[in-house]
Order: sequence, then structure tokens, then C-alpha cells
Amino acid sequence: GESVGLHLPTLSVQEGDNSIINCAYSNSASDYFIWYKQESGKGPQFIIDIRSNMDKRQGQRVTVLLNKTVKHLSLQIAATQPGDSAVYFCAENRESGYSTLTFGKGTMLLVSP
Amino acid sequence: DTAVSQTPKYLVTQMGNDKSIKCEQNLGHDTMYWYKQDSKKFLKIMFSYNNKELIINETVPNRFSPKSPDKAHLNLHINSLELGDSAVYFCASSRPGLAGETQYFGPGTRLLVL
Repeated sequence: GESVGLHLPTLSVQEGDNSIINCAYSNSASDYFIWYKQESGKGPQFIIDIRSNMDKRQGQRVTVLLNKTVKHLSLQIAATQPGDSAVYFCAENRESGYSTLTFGKGTMLLVSP
Repeated sequence: DTAVSQTPKYLVTQMGNDKSIKCEQNLGHDTMYWYKQDSKKFLKIMFSYNNKELIINETVPNRFSPKSPDKAHLNLHINSLELGDSAVYFCASSRPGLAGETQYFGPGTRLLVL
């Protein structure tokens, strides 16, 4: 399959578990962070975002946590479903007038029924 | 009803050829982007256009030339294709393109250079 040879960090969970995907970002001046989900053969899809003046934001079944002290971002997915299986990317926005996203390496989430 | 569309979806070509990839968005956005995703899934910005004007060019070889005939279209022309150009190319768009605007991605064009 597409994952062979990729050597992406992989998180394997059972359906119904909660998943936590972590991301370390590089630029302390970044002020906007986004999580994207990329399913096999598709483009990245927006999940949730957070600005640097917040440390937590919740969506439907997803929560993003931001720790600016250690430049760490996490995505929590509650009651993970097989349809959540995908590669998840965090992206940071550099301090500039225009939106310049820098993407992290990606984590593959595999959900078993 | 596709928001950001790209053609072609697949492109297989020989080294040295010239090829174009097209992108269109019907979201009314002002800003469009091209990204390259390599075999390790790493996504990197190549270009950004705001209202037909180039605003970001991230050290891409000049064999790559984006063209924006209007703010709904951003095409990518690649001259003298090399093996290393094999990748998935994604187009994206956003509202004015200022920090904090969500980018919406197209389905990608899978380019294979032989």
C-alpha cells in the first residue's frame, strides 16, 4: 500500500480509543497553527486551527492543545473511528504579512475496527 | 461543486519534456499557492500569488514558472523536467492570504518523470 517504505511516525489505535498526535514546531514567532488530515490519494483537509493567544481549542471530536513554552502542539481525537485513518500534519504560520505555512513531517494514524 | 480543482490528476512524462498543471478555485479567494509533496509526504510551499501577483517564491528552480491569468486560476509550467521533479503537486487557495487564513487544498497532481 501507499504506506510501505514511507517510515512516517505511525500511531495504531483500536476503534473507540482516544488518539493523541503530537507535533513540535520550530519558530517561536509563529502565531497561527493548523492541523490537516490527508487521506490516501487526496489533498490535505483542514481539521482545526489555533492562534498563539490560546492554549486549547475544541471542535467536534477533536481538541488542539498548544504549549508555547516548549513549542509543542497536539491533536486529540476522541472515540477514533476507522474513517479517521490518515496522515495528520501540523502546520505553523511564520510571522509575516502573508500566510506562509510550514508543515511538519506528518503522522500516520491507523485505526483498527 | 469542487472548491479547488487540478488537472491532470496523473502525469507521466519523459525527462527533458515541458509540462503544465492547471488549478482553478471557485471559492472567490484572492490567494493561491503551489505546494510540492515528496515521496516521504513532506509538504513544502513553492509559490504564492495574491490577486494575480507573485508574493512568495520559495527558492524554486526557474524551470518552474507559475502563471495566474486571473485570481481564480494558477497554473504551473515546468520546463526540462528532471527525475527529481517526480512528486505530488498541490494547489491551494485562501482568502487574502494574510497570516491566519485557512488554506484549502486541491486533490493533487501526481507527476512521474521517467
